Amino acid sequence: AQTVTQSQPEMSVQEAETVTLSCTYDTSENNYYLFWYKQPPSRQMILVIRQEAYKQQNATENRFSVNFQKAAKSFSLKISDSQLGDTAMYFCAFMKPPPDMRFGAGTRLTVKP
Amino acid sequence: GAVVSQHPSRVICKSGTSVKIECRSLDFQATTMFWYRQFPKQSLMLMATSNEGSKATYEQGVEKDKFLINHASLTLSTLTVTSAHPEDSSFYICSAPAGAATEAFFGQGTRLTVV
Repeated sequence: AQTVTQSQPEMSVQEAETVTLSCTYDTSENNYYLFWYKQPPSRQMILVIRQEAYKQQNATENRFSVNFQKAAKSFSLKISDSQLGDTAMYFCAFMKPPPDMRFGAGTRLTVKP
Repeated sequence: GAVVSQHPSRVICKSGTSVKIECRSLDFQATTMFWYRQFPKQSLMLMATSNEGSKATYEQGVEKDKFLINHASLTLSTLTVTSAHPEDSSFYICSAPAGAATEAFFGQGTRLTVV
């Protein structure tokens, strides 16, 4: 079975600074997808960024980017120019076909003014 | 992105009663849906995977007879918590993968309180 590990239960960052959230995973699959989801207090899951395992290029979405190291099975999220609205729980997730999706334990990020 | 609607968003029920939670894919067909349970300040724990037209696949430790899952159509999956007890109180979230498991879309979640 696939496992996803987030080793940082809580992190904080000053507004406008950069923060990196870590995620490692374990799988024997070659075809899979990795995600970072944000869960604000409303508890609605919001997709932040997605990475296809077959792509070497790291995904980016505005202030959010990933460092995907397939051989090391590492998938970290970098948030640049942090904003107060970025305060939330962040979950790393792994999905493979046939549909099977697993989540890490989560990292609670607080952006301080 | 695609929309998944989950209903109700909140429900309070008495111990011993059953509660049904619905998860609908509004603008795409979902042959598979995931049901998760989330305790406060914890991650999403996969309870079961429902498959349209066949039996759900339950994760180890999840009681099949307590958490009944039905996926009768390509747009609707339901989770019924039977004979609910206070320890079943939790936040339940459904999601549906789109395409060839390339992305998943989430419902808004249901906060269940059993009194």
